[in-house]
Amino acid sequence: AQSVSQHNHHVILSEAASLELGCNYSYGGTVNLFWYVQYPGQHLQLLLKYFSGDPLVKGIKGFEAEFIKSKFSFNLRKPSVQWSDTAEYFCAVNSYGQNFVFGPGTRLSVLP
Amino acid sequence: DVKVTQSSRYLVKRTGEKVFLECVQDMDHENMFWYRQDPGLGLRLIYFSYDVKMKEKGDIPEGYSVSREKKERFSLILESASTNQTSMYLCASSPTVLNTEAFFGQGTRLTVV
Repeated sequence: AQSVSQHNHHVILSEAASLELGCNYSYGGTVNLFWYVQYPGQHLQLLLKYFSGDPLVKGIKGFEAEFIKSKFSFNLRKPSVQWSDTAEYFCAVNSYGQNFVFGPGTRLSVLP
Repeated sequence: DVKVTQSSRYLVKRTGEKVFLECVQDMDHENMFWYRQDPGLGLRLIYFSYDVKMKEKGDIPEGYSVSREKKERFSLILESASTNQTSMYLCASSPTVLNTEAFFGQGTRLTVV
């Protein structure tokens, strides 16, 4: 079965610092990849998604992610975080015959 | 915008009670899902449905059942609630199996006492 790992449980950054959250998945075939964000008290929202094409994907709020097939990775990046980026971030994958599988989440705290 | 609505934001139930969590989506999506979210474990799939009256077990179906009598509505049932079912429950829907995202409801935080 497909599995997703996220490298960090909790990341603490100061405003304006750069962010990279790691995500690796286990399945070697064709996959769809996602990053979702959950702000405190809010529902899960899609940040960005990869289905095919350019492996560098741009999402909302200045986030981007790079799909590296050879490394089974889909890391999330942002060059300069803001206090409002404080949230929990989930990497997810699905593939033919497999439902959406989510990683354990990374909690990001941005200090003002 | 797609809207996935869960009937309750917060619920407190007693051990042994039968609990119903309701979810409605307004975009005619084929697929609906129930997850539970626990700290450090992410989202784990309980049940999903690809069509009306169709259901499939996910990764953690024990102690749960589901019902999908109408396309827009997907209900999660805890037959006899236990304290280890205290959790955040998330409903989601998607239009197809692949090349689409999942849309989530706001979640129901269930506490079983």
